[in-house]
Formats: sequence, C-alpha cells, structure tokens
Amino acid sequence: EAGVVQSPRYKIIEKKQPVAFWCNPISGHNTLYWYLQNLGQGPELLIRYENEEAVDDSQLPKDRFSAERLKGVDSTLKIQPAELGDSAVYLCASSLDGLAVTDTQYFGPGTRLTVL
Amino acid sequence: QKEVEQDPGPLSVPEGAIVSLNCTYSNSAFQYFMWYRQYSRKGPELLMYTYSSGNKEDGRFTAQVDKSSKYISLFIRDSQPSDSATYLCAMSPAGAGYSSASKIIFGSGTRLSIRP
Repeated sequence: EAGVVQSPRYKIIEKKQPVAFWCNPISGHNTLYWYLQNLGQGPELLIRYENEEAVDDSQLPKDRFSAERLKGVDSTLKIQPAELGDSAVYLCASSLDGLAVTDTQYFGPGTRLTVL
Repeated sequence: QKEVEQDPGPLSVPEGAIVSLNCTYSNSAFQYFMWYRQYSRKGPELLMYTYSSGNKEDGRFTAQVDKSSKYISLFIRDSQPSDSATYLCAMSPAGAGYSSASKIIFGSGTRLSIRP
C-alpha cells in the first residue's frame, strides 16, 4: 500500500515569491493534516480537513497561507508571498477517521522549503 | 513555557544499551500519549500509544505514563544502530465529543544515536 505522497521534496525560492505544496493521502483516508516542522522542533498543526471541509485551521496564518482539498482527496498548501521565516519542512499526514482519538496519523516525507 | 517539554539531546549510547527517553507536560487534560520515531529526511511514524496512566510493552519498546507527575517515558531495550533517529513524544486530550485527533501536541524530539 502506498503511503502519503508529497511533492516536491525540496523547494528553494526567493522571498516574496509564491510556492505550493501538494499532498496525496493514503487511499480511503478521510482526514488530512498539514503540519509545519521547524528545525529541531516537533510538528505543529496548520490545518485539518475532514473530507473536503477544513475543520481546524486556527493555526494557519491566513494572510499568506491558503489550503484546499478539492473532492476530498488531494490537497494543496500555498504560501503567497513567502517570507524568510517560512523556511521549514511542511508535512502532510492522513488518517482514516480523524474523530477517533486512537486514529493513527500517517505522515508523508515532507517538503523542505528554503526561502532566500 | 511549552505544554510539552523534551530534552533535545543528542543522546549517544553503545549498541545493546537500555535507552530512556522522557517528556514532561503541563496540561492535565492530556490523556492520550504517543511516541513517534522520525528518521532523517522522513516523516514521523507512530511507535506506540498509551491511554491514561500505566505501562505498555511492544517488543523491545516500553512506554510508561505517570499522570500524577505529568511525566512519560519510552524505554528501548537491546538498542540497535537501526534505532538511531529522533524520537518525538506527543499527547492529546481524549473523550467523547473532542475532535482530539487534530489536537496532538508534539515535543521537540530527542536525537538518539546508537554506536555499533
């Protein structure tokens, strides 16, 4: 069974440029998460989707970040414009049913963003 | 003060040693405790989870939770070079009605190196 797929794996951009990350969750998983992981830190939740509905986006900086999950499968996270402080790893995770506390989250390998 | 505190290490031990990894937390609402392993350039993967207090064993791994002290531990017996990774503790509240799967709070991770 294929895991969570993310692309690109690495991205280097100049500040003020836009950037987008793509995630394909595990087949059949209804819940999708985007996390931000800074160097030497644990992941921090940005947004959670239940199917195509964003049910928790309280930590998403909405002035520059946006996300969508059309048709409740793939998801895209966008930053426009990027700032130096956005350099981090952006992780996507999926789970079968996010409402169950024992629902395991499976993480993708992440996209490592460097903003110059 | 962070809700979850974890010593970043690095921790280096010889092969075969017993490893002890620990986290402390401040939120008494946490009831669901997890340990994730993260290899370099990979996403975190769930190793073990424990609900409320007590011990849980899975092969060479034992997770302990002491809610009275707000302290959790992961022990690795007969450590192997393949155990070299960053270990992240994580926790969340639990209970009917919580959308708690999205409220996982991660520690910053402990880098572990097992010397052959």
